[in-house]
Amino acid sequence: QTVVTQEPSLTVSPGGTVTLTCASSTGALTSDYYPSWFQQKAGQAPRSLIYHTTNKHSWTPARFSGSLLGGKAALTLSGVQPEDEADYYCLLYYGGVRVFGGGTKLTVL
Amino acid sequence: QVQLQESGPGLVKPSQTLSLTCSVSGDSINSGSYYWTWIRQPAGKGLEWIGRIFTSGTTSYSPSLESRVTISLDTSNNQFSLKLISVTAADTAVYYCARDSIYWGQGILVTVSS
Repeated sequence: QTVVTQEPSLTVSPGGTVTLTCASSTGALTSDYYPSWFQQKAGQAPRSLIYHTTNKHSWTPARFSGSLLGGKAALTLSGVQPEDEADYYCLLYYGGVRVFGGGTKLTVL
Repeated sequence: QVQLQESGPGLVKPSQTLSLTCSVSGDSINSGSYYWTWIRQPAGKGLEWIGRIFTSGTTSYSPSLESRVTISLDTSNNQFSLKLISVTAADTAVYYCARDSIYWGQGILVTVSS
């Protein structure tokens, strides 16, 4: 069974920069896995932030960016704001089937 | 802009079938090239991808649920549905429907209990 791994938790100071990563048990990720990233705040439905590795939606704040980094998918937040405190999930594509990562709880402190 | 809304029973007995509907507005379910998707989240836990159906009717399911799940389109009512058979307490979760995992419904809590 495919496992997608994220950092369980990260802490960042307001105004700082943090990178969340997403790794696959099958090996190094490429753009063929179409990594997507989602933000979920307490009591809310998830919100799509990044799709197809690097693409942003019209509603995605400019401080969020997606990339591939050392065989993993990455979500970088630059100039973190208090409202960025949330759970973040990646989603990977495996030939028709998609698998979520376990999520990263981001604390802004 | 497309909007999605889940509906269905909030309580299902063990061993029975969970049936949910996702009503779509602002878009036609049988136009374009979209994946209509179901995702769930147990309380306090992460997201789990259940499966999806393409506009053409082609489906794909999570291997861990494939033997129990069916997703179908209802084009006449602009809806798509989820059926999960033989449910247990482990299927208790908030269930979300989505289009292409970009536009999401608000979710519906389904509890499996006698």
